[in-house]
Amino acid sequence: KAGVTQTPRYLIKTRGQQVTLSCSPISGHRSVSWYQQTPGQGLQFLFEYFSETQRNKGNFPGRFSGRQFSNSRSEMNVSTLELGDSALYLCASSLAGTSGANTGELFFGEGSRLTVL
Amino acid sequence: KNQVEQSPQSLIILEGKNCTLQCNYTVSPFSNLRWYKQDTGRGPVSLTIMTFSENTKSNGRYTATLDADTKQSSLHITASQLSDSASYICVVRNTGTASKLTFGTGTRLQVTL
Repeated sequence: KAGVTQTPRYLIKTRGQQVTLSCSPISGHRSVSWYQQTPGQGLQFLFEYFSETQRNKGNFPGRFSGRQFSNSRSEMNVSTLELGDSALYLCASSLAGTSGANTGELFFGEGSRLTVL
Repeated sequence: KNQVEQSPQSLIILEGKNCTLQCNYTVSPFSNLRWYKQDTGRGPVSLTIMTFSENTKSNGRYTATLDADTKQSSLHITASQLSDSASYICVVRNTGTASKLTFGTGTRLQVTL
């Protein structure tokens, strides 16, 4: 069974540009959540999608957005990039999601390493 | 406010030695606690999950303990190997309709010869 696939693995952008990251969850998983990871800050929750609906959102500015398609694949977009957006962006999929009564395990992808110059 | 604190921030040990990582949380009401291992440049991988009624759980050389009364968990690594060098992240879930995950900032472990 294929794991969570994130593309691209590495990318370099300049301030003011926008970026789109993609995540393909494990087959059968309907929940996809996104996280930003920076040194010293740990994993910061961005948002979660379940069956194409945003179910939960972290404390990030509106420049960070996402969506989920009918095949459960998800994308996140960051507009007007800032230097502080440089980070590893991780996507995780689960059967049941990160919220609610279910306690589904998260399966993480390898991440997309974004560098903003 | 739900918080998860891990200690130490970083740790260096010799190959073959044992070590213990700590996780203290204020998440309430408690549902479960997971330990993840994250190799450099890779995504985290789940090691163990512990619910309220479980005191200890092992996964090979990794043994996690949970004291729900003091809200503390530890991850003990026995006979460390070079491949254990990684960050170890504690994640706690609360119960209820607003169930969420709270992440610790991790402990960076380096195993050396």
